[in-house]
Amino acid sequence: AQTVTQSQPEMSVQEAETVTLSCTYDTSESNYYLFWYKQPPSRQMILVIRQEAYKQQNATENRFSVNFQKAAKSFSLKISDSQLGDTAMYFCAFMKQSNNNDMRFGAGTRLTVKP
Amino acid sequence: KAGVTQTPRYLIKTRGQQVTLSCSPISGHRSVSWYQQTPGQGLQFLFEYFSETQRNKGNFPGRFSGRQFSNSRSEMNVSTLELGDSALYLCASSLAEYRIRNTEAFFGQGTRLTVV
Repeated sequence: AQTVTQSQPEMSVQEAETVTLSCTYDTSESNYYLFWYKQPPSRQMILVIRQEAYKQQNATENRFSVNFQKAAKSFSLKISDSQLGDTAMYFCAFMKQSNNNDMRFGAGTRLTVKP
Repeated sequence: KAGVTQTPRYLIKTRGQQVTLSCSPISGHRSVSWYQQTPGQGLQFLFEYFSETQRNKGNFPGRFSGRQFSNSRSEMNVSTLELGDSALYLCASSLAEYRIRNTEAFFGQGTRLTVV
């Protein structure tokens, strides 16, 4: 079974600074996908960034980037130039390549961006 | 393009009753997945439907069931409600035909179910 661990229940960062959220996972699969989702108070889950395990290059989306360490089974999210609108719950998720949208989520990290 | 629509947004039911939740996916999306979100257990996968067929199922009791219609709209049903079924139920849709390239999942805002 696949498990996803987010060891930081809560984090805070000053506006405009950089913060890194941690995620580790456990799997015996070689082909899989990793995601970071954001859930603001509106409750709607929004995809922040995704990474295909077969790609060595770390994914980047504007201010969001990941550090994907396949051997260590680590997938951290870096948010640069933090904005107040980044305040939300952040979930790391894993999905086997063969699975049909069966994503396994971590427990989440509550991020607060302070002015 | 309209997003994923879940109805109702809020629901209060009594123990022992049954409930049906609805999810309308993004137009053109054929895959619909359901998740349960609780403070204690977090986000857990319930099941996924594609072209009216259940392709994948999580580890939930048989009281939880679902179906998908020919227009890709999906419903999930929970029978004999228990207090522990109180949760936010999220639906996600995706194309899901050609592996991950088209498999970005778009979530609805969820249905908050409270069982009293």
